Amino acid sequence: AQSVTQLDSHVSVSEGTPVLLRCNYSSSVSVYLFWYVQYPNQGLQLLLKYLSGSTLVKGINGFEAEFNKSQTSFHLRKPSVHISDTAEYFCAVITDDKIIFGKGTRLHILP
Amino acid sequence: EAEVAQSPRYKITEKSQAVAFWCDPISGHATLYWYRQILGQGPELLVQFQDESVVDDSQLPKDRFSAERLKGVDSTLKIQPAELGDSAMYLCASSPFQAQETQYFGPGTRLLVL
Repeated sequence: AQSVTQLDSHVSVSEGTPVLLRCNYSSSVSVYLFWYVQYPNQGLQLLLKYLSGSTLVKGINGFEAEFNKSQTSFHLRKPSVHISDTAEYFCAVITDDKIIFGKGTRLHILP
Repeated sequence: EAEVAQSPRYKITEKSQAVAFWCDPISGHATLYWYRQILGQGPELLVQFQDESVVDDSQLPKDRFSAERLKGVDSTLKIQPAELGDSAMYLCASSPFQAQETQYFGPGTRLLVL
């Protein structure tokens, strides 16, 4: 069965520092990859997605992610975080027309 | 900007009661999804509609859950009878057509079963 693993359930970093949120997936076929953000008591909002082409994908709010097929990873990063980035982040994979979400990484930004 | 609408936003019910959630997708979106998100977990797909047809309901507990999208527009998810373990956030999402397209999520309905 396909799976998505977000390696860190919680990440805390100081404002203005870089952050890396890790995501690995298991699939031997073509995949589409997504990162979503969820603010408290809200639905999910798309940050960025990889469908094909360049492996470095830029999204909203200064986030970017790199697709690494050999390592089956799609890690999310931001060079300098802001207090407003405090939220939960979900990696998702679509394969065989089915979407699977990871369990999420709760990002806490320290002032 | 068009949004996915869901109601109610919050629902408290007692176990064995029936509950229903409503979702109105973005106009023109053919695909509609219902997810359940348990606290501390990622969303889990319950059912996917393409227009009025169910495409995937393999994870829907059919003994107590039902979903319909009669005219291929808005949708209702029902639980009868509700159980304590059903307490979760129920999210609705829609996308224009194909599976790899971006899903747009509503604000969700938070259900608490007492």
